[in-house]
Amino acid sequence: DQQVKQNSPSLSVQEGRISILNCDYTNSMFDYFLWYKKYPAEGPTFLISISSIKDKNEDGRFTVFLNKSAKHLSLHIVPSQPGDSAVYFCAAGRTGNQFYFGTGTSLTVIP
Amino acid sequence: ETGVTQSPTHLIKTRGQQVTLRCSSQSGHNTVSWYQQALGQGPQFIFQYYREEENGRGNFPPRFSGLQFPNYSSELNVNALELDDSALYLCASRSGTLEETQYFGPGTRLLVL
Repeated sequence: DQQVKQNSPSLSVQEGRISILNCDYTNSMFDYFLWYKKYPAEGPTFLISISSIKDKNEDGRFTVFLNKSAKHLSLHIVPSQPGDSAVYFCAAGRTGNQFYFGTGTSLTVIP
Repeated sequence: ETGVTQSPTHLIKTRGQQVTLRCSSQSGHNTVSWYQQALGQGPQFIFQYYREEENGRGNFPPRFSGLQFPNYSSELNVNALELDDSALYLCASRSGTLEETQYFGPGTRLLVL
């Protein structure tokens, strides 16, 4: 049973516009959430995280929003750049325990 | 400072065979985790080693086993390979407990025929 879901396999956005990637989870005990970025032939790299005590975390062009009641998080990239083209995974879990990854969303930023 | 490296990059095996995948952790990292990423899926946690002891395991059968060595390098062994074991195997190392301090290697792509 998939505990973390990313329902959009792909997303295309024009350069300079906002990219919004979505992620849903099922386990209300999860208290920590992360986004990873993956380029071809490379391992995932950490992008941004948020704990369940917050509803927003910002790092430069990247902002993660958490809606605990809806068990939903989203990653906003503003403005999107061609170098942002990659596969984005969300991950969720309980601190100190196993983390679960979504299936990924492939983002293409069109110059 | 070198990153996480994995060998081999690609591997082809036949059903029933055994395979050993290797991972060299980033310098100073004492915790290593292994993940299986099947085609079209996200990484799935196999197990984690801390100071040479397994201290966490996902939903994988005992034919998936591992080792961590005193220099913190690691091996993933899979016995009695099945077709569904075909996947990208990722190794990740870290020095702390926070998930974001985890660094992934590029992976080993295993094909079981």
